[in-house]
Amino acid sequence: DTAVSQTPKYLVTQMGNDKSIKCEQNLGHDTMYWYKQDSKKFLKIMFSYNNKELIINETVPNRFSPKSPDKAHLNLHINSLELGDSAVYFCASSQGWGATEAFFGQGTRLTVV
Amino acid sequence: AQKVTQAQTEISVVEKEDVTLDCVYETRDTTYYLFWYKQPPSGELVFLIRRNSFDEQNEISGRYSWNFQKSTSSFNFTITASQVVDSAVYFCAPPNQAGTALIFGKGTTLSVSS
Repeated sequence: DTAVSQTPKYLVTQMGNDKSIKCEQNLGHDTMYWYKQDSKKFLKIMFSYNNKELIINETVPNRFSPKSPDKAHLNLHINSLELGDSAVYFCASSQGWGATEAFFGQGTRLTVV
Repeated sequence: AQKVTQAQTEISVVEKEDVTLDCVYETRDTTYYLFWYKQPPSGELVFLIRRNSFDEQNEISGRYSWNFQKSTSSFNFTITASQVVDSAVYFCAPPNQAGTALIFGKGTTLSVSS
């Protein structure tokens, strides 16, 4: 049983398109996150939701919009994709935040052409 | 402001060598947690350990050990008798200032050759 699962694993799309990445966790955690990892492996927090409420909204273009329909899901929708959006996007979850370990999905490699 | 530094960008060792990965975390907080994660070539992020700043005793798990020294703000990770399967990027990760998410160091790429 996969604890944190993301779909799709790979996503290749053209500039200007809109795409979504889905994330689900079956750990019963109350906090979920989206991270972006660039080509140099640098991991940056994008968003965090606790009990479906937005906790963190880092400096991210408003083309990125997270949606949390329930505690087990946090989807990421991206409008008007740009070349610079190419990266690996990781979903994660934790019980509480900050002082607790986060468990990560396998990542979604987004390539914008 | 807090700052996490992994000064070693890349390390290469031969199997069975011991290797230590350094992490320095500068913060005004007196108590905090630090985490280590591993990212093997397959790409997933694997949680390794969480330590509290109160606890400066070495933590040992098999070939892995962690040494936390609050006086130098360092949380180092040692792999004893390294193996090829240890080849990965290793990240040190403290919580952000607000304590609402983990922030990650730039990572250290470890390559273990046979």
